[in-house]
Amino acid sequence: AQSVTQLGSHVSVSEGALVLLRCNYSSSVPPYLFWYVQYPNQGLQLLLKYTTGATLVKGINGFEAEFKKSETSFHLTKPSAHMSDAAEYFCAVSGNTGFQKLVFGTGTRLLVSP
Amino acid sequence: NAGVTQTPKFQVLKTGQSMTLQCAQDMNHNSMYWYRQDPGMGLRLIYYSASEGTTDKGEVPNGYNVSRLNKREFSLRLESAAPSQTSVYFCASSDLTGAVDEQFFGPGTRLTVL
Repeated sequence: AQSVTQLGSHVSVSEGALVLLRCNYSSSVPPYLFWYVQYPNQGLQLLLKYTTGATLVKGINGFEAEFKKSETSFHLTKPSAHMSDAAEYFCAVSGNTGFQKLVFGTGTRLLVSP
Repeated sequence: NAGVTQTPKFQVLKTGQSMTLQCAQDMNHNSMYWYRQDPGMGLRLIYYSASEGTTDKGEVPNGYNVSRLNKREFSLRLESAAPSQTSVYFCASSDLTGAVDEQFFGPGTRLTVL
């Protein structure tokens, strides 16, 4: 079974500041990990994903995440926030063999101030 | 390609009324999903269809039924709507031929049950 915990339902940053959104997972098998973004009144869009191999994963819009097995974490970062990054971000986990369902965290809303 | 489309975009029902939410995808994906999104709870899986001809319950199936009409279409039915079913409903699809279960989401249906 898998589960995801996202720390902080809201994160506020200033434009140009570092963005850090936290995600910890629990999985009984080697996980696949995902970050999705949801802009207001839209569906979810994949930002990046970790499957196997390189633990630092780069995604769209300058975001990246690092898989740390020892810490069971998959935190999302961006060096410099832009106003357009304001959205809700969801971390998700699945297993890695056969048909797998995604299990989502509760989401973190990122607020970016000028 | 339109991706994943959902109809209607908005709906208001009275308690006890029934309705069907429609979903279609044009990416030739094998698997389709229905989620509901509620504040502070992330996305929760209602039902899914791993392949054409199969459907299975997810985390919160009570009060819902689904039909996988063909490979493209997956509908969600509320037989007797209740206020607890007020939510935003998302349909998603994924391609099992890949190793990773990346899901593509529709724009959502906002349902209010009075």
